[in-house]
Amino acid sequence: GAVVSQHPSWVICKSGTSVKIECRSLDFQATTMFWYRQFPKQSLMLMATSNEGSKATYEQGVEKDKFLINHASLTLSTLTVTSAHPEDSSFYICSAAGGSTDTQYFGPGTRLTVL
Amino acid sequence: GESVGLHLPTLSVQEGDNSIINCAYSNSASDYFIWYKQESGKGPQFIIDIRSNMDKRQGQRVTVLLNKTVKHLSLQIAATQPGDSAVYFCAEMRGSNYKLTFGKGTLLTVNP
Repeated sequence: GAVVSQHPSWVICKSGTSVKIECRSLDFQATTMFWYRQFPKQSLMLMATSNEGSKATYEQGVEKDKFLINHASLTLSTLTVTSAHPEDSSFYICSAAGGSTDTQYFGPGTRLTVL
Repeated sequence: GESVGLHLPTLSVQEGDNSIINCAYSNSASDYFIWYKQESGKGPQFIIDIRSNMDKRQGQRVTVLLNKTVKHLSLQIAATQPGDSAVYFCAEMRGSNYKLTFGKGTLLTVNP
């Protein structure tokens, strides 16, 4: 149980375009979803927390207008990187929690490369 | 932009040996602790958890020890296998909002 999927697993885009990443909880209802960014050889950096049906809470230093988060249902959250630039290239990971889970369960991650 | 890369603590063991990975946590009010395994290019995978009212919990080949006095958590892996090679993160949680604070991670390398 507690399976989380992410799509796409990797994406390459041109600078200035927007990219949407989907996060789904497959076998449980996720009242809370989290979005992380991870640089090589570093720990996970929390970007934002979203609760189903309400606005996301962003961590200090994360631009909410650049990283748009939507958590419209108990099984789906999306992260849209708007007007992407090369410095946005990174590994983005989502996680989900709620219902029968005690902790966060993570998706497989999305590798974003902005050219 | 990207931060300057930090060097992860590393642990190198021989296949078949036992591994011990340590973690110091920061918040004495944390009441729930989790170990995650992250293989290269993948998301973290839940391994084992422990609540603050316990000091030891065992799973399949893994044991987590909690010492609240010194705010220390450890993960023991018995008979380490090449497939155990990964970065291991400890995480702490306080309350029920699911928000985690992660440790830096330890890179475990298992030599055949």
